Formats: sequence, C-alpha cells, structure tokens
Amino acid sequence: QKEVEQDPGPLSVPEGAIVSLNCTYSNSAFQYFMWYRQYSRKGPELLMYTYSSGNKEDGRFTAQVDKSSKYISLFIRDSQPSDSATYLCAMENEKLTFGTGTRLTIIP
Amino acid sequence: DTGVSQDPRHKITKRGQNVTFRCDPISEHNRLYWYRQTLGQGPEFLTYFQNEAQLEKSRLLSDRFSAERPKGSFSTLEIQRTEQGDSAMYLCASSLDRTGYTFGSGTRLTVV
Repeated sequence: QKEVEQDPGPLSVPEGAIVSLNCTYSNSAFQYFMWYRQYSRKGPELLMYTYSSGNKEDGRFTAQVDKSSKYISLFIRDSQPSDSATYLCAMENEKLTFGTGTRLTIIP
Repeated sequence: DTGVSQDPRHKITKRGQNVTFRCDPISEHNRLYWYRQTLGQGPEFLTYFQNEAQLEKSRLLSDRFSAERPKGSFSTLEIQRTEQGDSAMYLCASSLDRTGYTFGSGTRLTVV
C-alpha cells in the first residue's frame, strides 16, 4: 500500500464549476500537507500548504485537512480553463511524499 | 535569484552511457532534493542534502546513481551505465524550511 493515495482521474468539468480533489494517507508522521500544480513538461508549483486540521483559503482555492481521518482535499471555486493541469498532493516529513496526481481539464 | 535551475532540460543518451545532471538551488536554501517522475506518476524521492551533507537516500537509488553537493551550493546527479528504465524526468527542489519546497523545471532523460 502506498503512503499517499490519490485518484489519478482524469477529471473534466465545465468552466465555473467547483472542483474537489482528494488524497488519503497512512503515515501519521506527516506534519505538513501541500498541494502542487504541474503543467505538462514543467516542475511542480506550490499552491498551498497546511499544518493542522481545518481549512485554509487562498483566493479561489481552499485546502482542507482532517488528520483524524488522514484525508486532505483541495477545492477550486469558479474554475477557469487556465486551471487545467495535474494537481499533486504532497505530505512532508523531512521530505515530500507525493500522490499520483489528478489530471484536471476545465472545459470552456 | 529566479528560482531553481536545472541543466540540461533534455538529455538523450544511448543505453550504457553515463550522464550527469546539474541543479542550482535558490541561493539561501540549505536543503536540496532530487526526485524522479515517470509519466502518469507523482515525483518519487531519491535523495536530499542539508548543506553539503547527504542525509538520506531512497532504496530507489541504485549503486549506479550518485549525487554530490560540493560546498553546499549546486548539486550533480550522475547515472552510470544507463538503462532504458532510467528514462524519466529528474526534478530538483530546494528549501529553507519545511514548507517552501521550490522545484526546478526538471531534466528529461531519454535512454535509447
């Protein structure tokens, strides 16, 4: 079993929809939880990070962590075609452990 | 400083040849990480340095792989006797703390 599980998708939604991306993890030692966005043939770009259980909002993006369930989510409101990319969850414990990534397409 | 720089961007090599990649981190970052990413997968940890000390190596890092970070500045990743299974994107990241991991654009290796 992988330490971090993420539905690889692909996921296609119409422009303006709310997108929900999720990951589960098994290692209780993970302390920071991050979401990265990766465009084709580029390196991952940090979107948000959280430390404790709860929600963190940044513009159209909301990151949610539930440590008791070992479950994290990223919500994208008012999705735009420019949000089309692969979204990677990552968990930190002296290094990052990534999920598989979810490929997201926003349809205009 | 414009971020993490990796060179070359793309390398095509014949099976059995040696290749070396370079990573220049953000100057004030003391930690440097190497990851490998194959198509449809998330990046997989290979190794990391704090300053010039190599603190951890993944079991993925076979004896054919070696990484260095002389003087705690840039880093090199060498793969000896390349195999087709080594074809992947090799990503470098640097950080100053536990949340600010910044990745480079990667070196795409194709072994033919």
